[in-house]
Amino acid sequence: SYELTQPPSVSVSPGQTARITCSGDAFPKQYAYWYQQKPGQAPVLVIYKHIERPSGIPERFSGSTSGTTVTLTISGVQAEDEADYYCQSSDSRATYPGVFGGGTKLTVL
Amino acid sequence: EVRLVESGGGLVQPGGSLRLSCAASGFTFTNYEMNWVRQAPGKGLEWLSYISSYGTTIYYADSVKGRFTISRDNAKNSLYLQMNSLRAEDTAVYYCARAESYGGNSGLFSWGQGTLVTVSS
Repeated sequence: SYELTQPPSVSVSPGQTARITCSGDAFPKQYAYWYQQKPGQAPVLVIYKHIERPSGIPERFSGSTSGTTVTLTISGVQAEDEADYYCQSSDSRATYPGVFGGGTKLTVL
Repeated sequence: EVRLVESGGGLVQPGGSLRLSCAASGFTFTNYEMNWVRQAPGKGLEWLSYISSYGTTIYYADSVKGRFTISRDNAKNSLYLQMNSLRAEDTAVYYCARAESYGGNSGLFSWGQGTLVTVSS
């Protein structure tokens, strides 16, 4: 089955830049989606179609691709950005959301 | 405002059944594909199932195929997940989520608050 690989954890100090990667063989052909989840809350979409930002999401959140790796970048990290982040995509032949990465815990030091 | 409200969770014994519901409001339900996603305690997100806007196309994760059935009632703006032969490892918060694609594979743009299912004797 198709898998997306994320680092378990990333730590940054406030004001620094956090980068969370997600690797998958179907990138970049298949779009990546990124979700933020805070404790006890439902996930929230922060990036769609690799690089697009939904309305209401701060500009410090951005997405990029390089080969079979996609990256969520949070510039000028704030304490409120501490959360779990998940990438999501589909295998090479699918259009439905079939797979999530294992998630990355972002810690703001 | 898009609103998705899950219900039907609770405590069930191993081998038992449960039916989850998701009430949708604030948008034209028939225009959207829907999904179920779950999250076991302390674990990551797991996609479970997809249903197209009129229910003609359905997909399942291998972990629930043959045990869970997704369905929708567009007249009632509702999504369902019938869960049979439940196991301890099915214990999780279950979310319904609305999919959008804008071309290409889709993502989950709106989520409900989740409903907790606990499978235990």
